[in-house]
Amino acid sequence: SQQGEEDPQALSIQEGENATMNCSYKTSINNLQWYRQNSGRGLVHLILIRSNEREKHSGRLRVTLDTSKKSSSLLITASRAADTASYFCATDTGRRALTFGSGTRLQVQP
Amino acid sequence: DADVTQTPRNRITKTGKRIMLECSQTKGHDRMYWYRQDPGLGLRLIYYSFDVKDINKGEISDGYSVSRQAQAKFSLSLESAIPNQTALYFCATSDFGPGEGREGRETQYFGPGTRLLVL
Repeated sequence: SQQGEEDPQALSIQEGENATMNCSYKTSINNLQWYRQNSGRGLVHLILIRSNEREKHSGRLRVTLDTSKKSSSLLITASRAADTASYFCATDTGRRALTFGSGTRLQVQP
Repeated sequence: DADVTQTPRNRITKTGKRIMLECSQTKGHDRMYWYRQDPGLGLRLIYYSFDVKDINKGEISDGYSVSRQAQAKFSLSLESAIPNQTALYFCATSDFGPGEGREGRETQYFGPGTRLLVL
């Protein structure tokens, strides 16, 4: 199975609400990255958190990392319809490639 | 991202045909990657290249081959296409690669994708 697994697979919220999605992984990591994908388009990097960091912010995004539980969460505050997309976590385990999870599909209703 | 382009954007082909997907980048990155995405799934790595002479198989390289013609160009070929290769294909680049520990420079930049249908 995948190194990174997102939860939930799909999430539907109203505009203005917060959206939280989670990523669990199996092996130790150097860093964990979150990417966003608008329907059928290429992925766009959102944020990178290193294994020695616990929390990181970027605008309305907040990422946490718990290496003891091998999990990360992405929080989008005050969501907008434009946040509708799929969100993927990707882990850097020291190998020469990232491993992507299967993604969370977020639908923000206007 | 206009810095990473892929051609063609859409392609329909028949079983047994050889096809090539091309990727070009103007970001000046040495690291380039080819991924495949199937509906409802994440990305799986097909091949990656850390420089022109360093090409490596990824998770699912069987049935695919690549060519790194220059720093800026990385092509993916399907030698004899089969229906289960129907997917969305992405090229990506990065300044440094996973595991290299370069602060903030491991970010991958993706092309717009090529939608491939094998009949």
